[in-house]
This record gives sequence, structure tokens and C-alpha cells, in this order.
Amino acid sequence: DAMVIQNPRYQVTQFGKPVTLSCSQTLNHNVMYWYQQKSSQAPKLLFHYYDKDFNNEADTPDNFQSRRPNTSFCFLDIRSPGLGDAAMYLCATSGRAGTGAFYGYTFGSGTRLTVV
Amino acid sequence: AQKVTQAQTEISVVEKEDVTLDCVYETRDTTYYLFWYKQPPSGELVFLIRRNSFDEQNEISGRYSWNFQKSTSSFNFTITASQVVDSAVYFCALSGAYMEYGNKLVFGAGTILRVKS
Repeated sequence: DAMVIQNPRYQVTQFGKPVTLSCSQTLNHNVMYWYQQKSSQAPKLLFHYYDKDFNNEADTPDNFQSRRPNTSFCFLDIRSPGLGDAAMYLCATSGRAGTGAFYGYTFGSGTRLTVV
Repeated sequence: AQKVTQAQTEISVVEKEDVTLDCVYETRDTTYYLFWYKQPPSGELVFLIRRNSFDEQNEISGRYSWNFQKSTSSFNFTITASQVVDSAVYFCALSGAYMEYGNKLVFGAGTILRVKS
């Protein structure tokens, strides 16, 4: 089935040690998003790509970077994770079906990041 | 600016009770989409429904139903005969019409639903 896959499901990293989370999609959607969701909060958009165009949210810390080497893959890099970066990170895509009908958002299962 | 308000932080019901989750939104767009997602303890977001702003028909899917009223900017979600498996956090969300070009999905704060047996 076409889907959005996030690896790993759980990630433990050391304080200050760079970490990369990955997302892949088989939907061929133009847009890919990264959301951060802290405990008991709503998901918060960090940034998104429309094709190769990167769009950063104004309040996303510089510590968070992203790469999209091709349509299928998108990475979230946290350069120096702090304890406050512990959260669920959700990847999502959006696009249109071949018929032109809007397909909506598709979310991955998320990566739960723990910082020790 | 777009905004979604879910005034109910937490709701507790006994199994088989009906429960309604409220959602009020704000947008200046004339064309927009509204969503409901379920987030069980495992953390993944489960898509429940998408509604565009031109379709005010109420929808029923099994025990789930949705009431969209543009006049009051509300998109409420009702679970009939609730079950323990319905226990989760429910998010209402709003997006502009052209999200495939990158419009963000704006979430409400979420409502925690606890269904007790």
C-alpha cells in the first residue's frame, strides 16, 4: 500500500549529539511536512517542502534542519538535541490523486525521540 | 490567521454513552478544509474525516457523525454508543484550499476522551 514511512519508530539520543530522523513516501506527493508534537500538545509545524522549495516556519529553532534529496525522502536533522526537543516527530505529505481530486494529508506513524 | 478551538480539554464518559466533541474555527478563506484526527496512545494520527467548506452536509460513518455549520463556524464530532477503544485524543484541524502547495494544517489543542467500562 502507498504510505508514509518513518524510521525509526523510537529514537534515543544523547544530549548534544546530532540525530537524523527519516521519512519516505510512496505516494509521489509534492509536499512533505515535519511536525513536532510534545507531550499533551497539538502537532506543530516545523517546516515543509514543496518539491525542492524549503519553507521554514518563523518560530522553528535553527537547531532543526531538513533535507529532501528526492521526491520520496525527507530528513529531519537536529544538530544539538536538548532535553526540550524530546517529542514525537510526525512526517506528512499532501498532494492530488491522478484524477485531480485533492488527496489530503497522509501522516506517518511518527518517531518518538528521547534525549538523555 | 487561521485558528481552531477545542474548548473541551478532557471528557470522561461511561461506555455506551453518546459524546460530542466540539470544534470552532476561524478563517478568512472562503475555501478551506476541515479535518478530524484520532490519536491513540501509540501516537499515530488516524484520519477520520475531511470536509470542504462548500459541503455542509452532515456525515455519518458507523458510530461516528459530524455536524458542519458554517453559520457558527463549527465542525462538531459525535460518537454514538461509545466504546473503550474510542479512548484517545481527538484533534480538529483546518487548512486552506491549496494545501498541496504547502498550506499548513492548523490543529486545535485536542480533546482527551476517556471511555470507562
